[in-house]
Amino acid sequence: QTVVTQEPSLTVSPGGTVTLTCASSTGAVTSGYYPNWFQQKPGQAPRALIYSTSNKHSWTPARFSGSLLGGKAALTLSGVQPEDEAEYYCLLYYGAWVFGGGTKLTVL
Amino acid sequence: EVQLVESGGGLVQPGGSLRLSCAASGFTVSSNYMSWVRQAPGKGLEWVSVIYSGDSTYYADSVKGRFTISRDNSKNTLYLQMNSLRAEDTGVYYCTRIITRYKNIDYWGQGTLVTVSS
Repeated sequence: QTVVTQEPSLTVSPGGTVTLTCASSTGAVTSGYYPNWFQQKPGQAPRALIYSTSNKHSWTPARFSGSLLGGKAALTLSGVQPEDEAEYYCLLYYGAWVFGGGTKLTVL
Repeated sequence: EVQLVESGGGLVQPGGSLRLSCAASGFTVSSNYMSWVRQAPGKGLEWVSVIYSGDSTYYADSVKGRFTISRDNSKNTLYLQMNSLRAEDTGVYYCTRIITRYKNIDYWGQGTLVTVSS
């Protein structure tokens, strides 16, 4: 069974920079896994942020960026805003889709 | 404007059945991959099922043999037939659109709550 692993929680100061990562139990994450990133706030449906490693949707704020870093998919938030406090999920494609467990980002 | 509106959730006893619907607007469901994702209370997201534009389907092991995904092109609606429901199937079920080229989910519905309890 494939497992996708994210940091359970991270804390960042307003205006700071933070990187969330997404690892695969099968080995290094590559662009062939089409990494997606989603943001979910309490009581809301998830919202898509990044697709295919580093592509942004039209609604994705410029401070969000995606990349591959050290064999993992990564989501970097630069100039963090208080409204970025949320749960973040990555999604990898293996022929079927598998979500990571999520990272709770606290802005403090 | 793309919209996905789920319905059909509710309270059902263990072993019971429920059919979820997802009415789509702003695009054609038959031309896209469509999927269901669920979220147990206080837990993370779990991918459940997908229907490809060619009508083939795929399921997570946790629901295989119990759930069936389908669509009605004339109604532009996606369905999830859920049988032999278990307590662990409790959660919010989201309908999503997948962009074929990039295998990415771009739009989500607001979700519908399914509670399996006696």
